[in-house]
Amino acid sequence: DGGITQSPKYLFRKEGQNVTLSCEQNLNHDAMYWYRQDPGQGLRLIYYSQIVNDFQKGDIAEGYSVSREKKESFPLTVTSAQKNPTAFYLCASTPDRGGTEAFFGQGTRLTVV
Amino acid sequence: QKEVEQNSGPLSVPEGAIASLNCTYSDRGSQSFFWYRQYSGKSPELIMFIYSNGDKEDGRFTAQLNKASQYVSLLIRDSQPSDSATYLCAVTPDKLIFGTGTRLQVFP
Repeated sequence: DGGITQSPKYLFRKEGQNVTLSCEQNLNHDAMYWYRQDPGQGLRLIYYSQIVNDFQKGDIAEGYSVSREKKESFPLTVTSAQKNPTAFYLCASTPDRGGTEAFFGQGTRLTVV
Repeated sequence: QKEVEQNSGPLSVPEGAIASLNCTYSDRGSQSFFWYRQYSGKSPELIMFIYSNGDKEDGRFTAQLNKASQYVSLLIRDSQPSDSATYLCAVTPDKLIFGTGTRLQVFP
């Protein structure tokens, strides 16, 4: 089955650590996105990539980094520079630049301990 | 000005009533407009999409788009308690941008 897979589902991070969230899709989609969602809030765009080896900052990129070395993979690293990383992280993909339906992963809930 | 704005709610409607959800956007270059439903702790799921001015109906849902006013809305007819969720408006100028969402509560 085609889809988008995020792992892990739950992640705990100690203060000062970097952690990487995985996002893989087998839909052959060109564009991939990372969003952050805080309780009771909408989705805020962290980074997006529309082609391999290229990505752009979204509205809240500070403290995060990404790579897009393969079309199917778009990992997100939450660095120690992100002061308040506890949130629900969602990865999405679209066939093109976003003019059609976005497919979402199940999300990763990150908690700082 | 936020790129996509929604009233956060909650919007409370009785079962069987029409729920009206509204969204405004700032980028006149936006071409595609989406409504997603999100249950607590889950990923968003697509309800409707609309590309052209006017109305688009799908079952109990109607999306309305007015590009001149930069306004898109979602009507839910015969609201059910199972419709209680957060509804996210999304638009695409050159990337997919979401609003803050409107929480809908349908009470029996």
